[in-house]
Amino acid sequence: NAGVTQTPKFRVLKTGQSMTLLCAQDMNHEYMYWYRQDPGMGLRLIHYSVGEGTTAKGEVPDGYNVSRLKKQNFLLGLESAAPSQTSVYFCASSYLAEDYEQYFGPGTRLTVT
Amino acid sequence: AQKITQTQPGMFVQEKEAVTLDCTYDTSDQSYGLFWYKQPSSGEMIFLIYQGSYDEQNATEGRYSLNFQKARKSANLVISASQLGDSAMYFCAMRDVNSGGSNYKLTFGKGTLLTVNP
Repeated sequence: NAGVTQTPKFRVLKTGQSMTLLCAQDMNHEYMYWYRQDPGMGLRLIHYSVGEGTTAKGEVPDGYNVSRLKKQNFLLGLESAAPSQTSVYFCASSYLAEDYEQYFGPGTRLTVT
Repeated sequence: AQKITQTQPGMFVQEKEAVTLDCTYDTSDQSYGLFWYKQPSSGEMIFLIYQGSYDEQNATEGRYSLNFQKARKSANLVISASQLGDSAMYFCAMRDVNSGGSNYKLTFGKGTLLTVNP
């Protein structure tokens, strides 16, 4: 089992460019999540999905879009990157039951110049 | 809205000693879950321990235990016999169940940076 994987690991974008971060999990989890981690802020939820074909907004959704076309994949898109989106992005997944922890990917470090 | 507070930005402990990392939470839900994660300098998020709001006993996992005081709304992590490899950022998180009961988002605290000294 690879668990949760994220592509790419690092990326530098110029302001206004677009990109897509890919998250994949091989644990057959229903729920998937995208977080961003900024210094001194902890992790904040961007968007999440409770199943294939569904998405919902989290705490800080502005400037991001997501899609869950396949159960195992959860994509995070930045249509027009801004310096404020410089952050480390974590994808996570979990089982349906509330007692289970979220499994995290290794993170993607994104810098927007 | 749920809120997690970790009041200790940094903590120091001597190797082999025990350390307590504080976490308080605020929720109006009757059913909730509390999690602790470890983030070493390499960056990955590692799950440590879970406590359910209806669990009567404090959770334990090896050297980790959770001091759960429901009336005080606190869920402190206790690490016994600290090791150098315990040096990391530690996050407390709470499961968020919305009114529909179908979502299980985590709300994270800002973290505590633990340094274990030899």
